[in-house]
Amino acid sequence: DSGVTQTPKHLITATGQRVTLRCSPRSGDLSVYWYQQSLDQGLQFLIQYYNGEERAKGNILERFSAQQFPDLHSELNLSSLELGDSALYFCASRSGTGNNSPLHFGNGTRLTVT
Amino acid sequence: GDSVTQMEGPVTLSEEAFLTINCTYTATGYPSLFWYVQYPGEGLQLLLKATKADDKGSNKGFEATYRKETTSFHLEKGSVQVSDSAVYFCALGFGNEKLTFGTGTRLTIIP
Repeated sequence: DSGVTQTPKHLITATGQRVTLRCSPRSGDLSVYWYQQSLDQGLQFLIQYYNGEERAKGNILERFSAQQFPDLHSELNLSSLELGDSALYFCASRSGTGNNSPLHFGNGTRLTVT
Repeated sequence: GDSVTQMEGPVTLSEEAFLTINCTYTATGYPSLFWYVQYPGEGLQLLLKATKADDKGSNKGFEATYRKETTSFHLEKGSVQVSDSAVYFCALGFGNEKLTFGTGTRLTIIP
């Protein structure tokens, strides 16, 4: 158990809809990272937050947004969903202090857009 | 930008065979290097890491050596078990920035 909790585990929705994915990081971890894992593109970095503030952006579409709340949990919002957004979405956390500490991953949310 | 290239899978081996999964990287500067493993239905777990040139990371019989001259971090294990069947990801990172992952190599061990 990595200590990172993601909900829901599975999500099935229709094109054009909006969904929210939730992540609770390990206790004490200040940094949260979101990744998208699809069959054809591997693991793609979406966005990073540190202690409530956006720290880095990767290949995140404008239809997607995220935030990290004062209690350090994070949400990833996906809107105007398309078939191609079907993927596994992972959240990971690390303490954010020191260097090169490992990322701890949740078990992911599998999103299916029909 | 930074990138990681892994050998294409899937890889199928018999139990007790020797394993090598190749990984090379492109980066500006000297990143830390990682191997992560993903079992079915689970998230990625850190397998081992190396933070500077010539460092050797090791865990559960797996090893990888940070080779600056060849920009490589190949994963090896002397005798694989059925329980090693999983997807293996090579990754690089700087400090507390994001990790950049390779595309993953699916490993299947047959008894």
